[in-house]
Amino acid sequence: GDSVTQMEGPVTLSEEAFLTINCTYTATGYPSLFWYVQYPGEGLQLLLKATKADDKGSNKGFEATYRKETTSFHLEKGSVQVSDSAVYFCALDTGRRALTFGSGTRLQVQP
Amino acid sequence: GAGVSQTPSNKVTEKGKYVELRCDPISGHTALYWYRQSLGQGPEFLIYFQGTGAADDSGLPNDRFFAVRPEGSVSTLKIQRTERGDSAVYLCASSQGPNNYGYTFGSGTRLTVV
Repeated sequence: GDSVTQMEGPVTLSEEAFLTINCTYTATGYPSLFWYVQYPGEGLQLLLKATKADDKGSNKGFEATYRKETTSFHLEKGSVQVSDSAVYFCALDTGRRALTFGSGTRLQVQP
Repeated sequence: GAGVSQTPSNKVTEKGKYVELRCDPISGHTALYWYRQSLGQGPEFLIYFQGTGAADDSGLPNDRFFAVRPEGSVSTLKIQRTERGDSAVYLCASSQGPNNYGYTFGSGTRLTVV
């Protein structure tokens, strides 16, 4: 079945550090890929998405590139801020309209 | 409404009781989804409605779980004979249609079965 594997957290960084959160997937066909973010006390929000191979999703300084050859969709940001502290979820959709999520990675950014 | 509203925000119930969780989607959104998020895990798909009908209920774990959306707007997730393992945050999301990935999630209902 479909599955998403994320690096375990928490990831603790200092402000302005470079961020990478790894995400790999297993799916039949060609899924669409997503990153969602959950800030403390808030609901899940779509951060970015990519719907086909080699697409790059970007938003708020975050980027992720759909790599079909390595079945990966790693999240990156060049300079994190304290306000980026949250839980990040990688997810896919194979067309069923039901998202398959990873287990989440908690990011803690220290001033 | 402005966002997806879920009520109650917290629910504590005794093992064996029946509970109902409500989701009020964004006005005009035809697609509605229920997910369950256990502690330390990502959300798991339960059921998807397109309009009034359940287009995909393959994620419902067993026949104690049931959901309805009689008028194509508000949805209710119903859990019979609750078990301690049902304790989780139940999330609802809606989108404008089946091909729109702009899901908006509610803040969830935290269900605790004691």
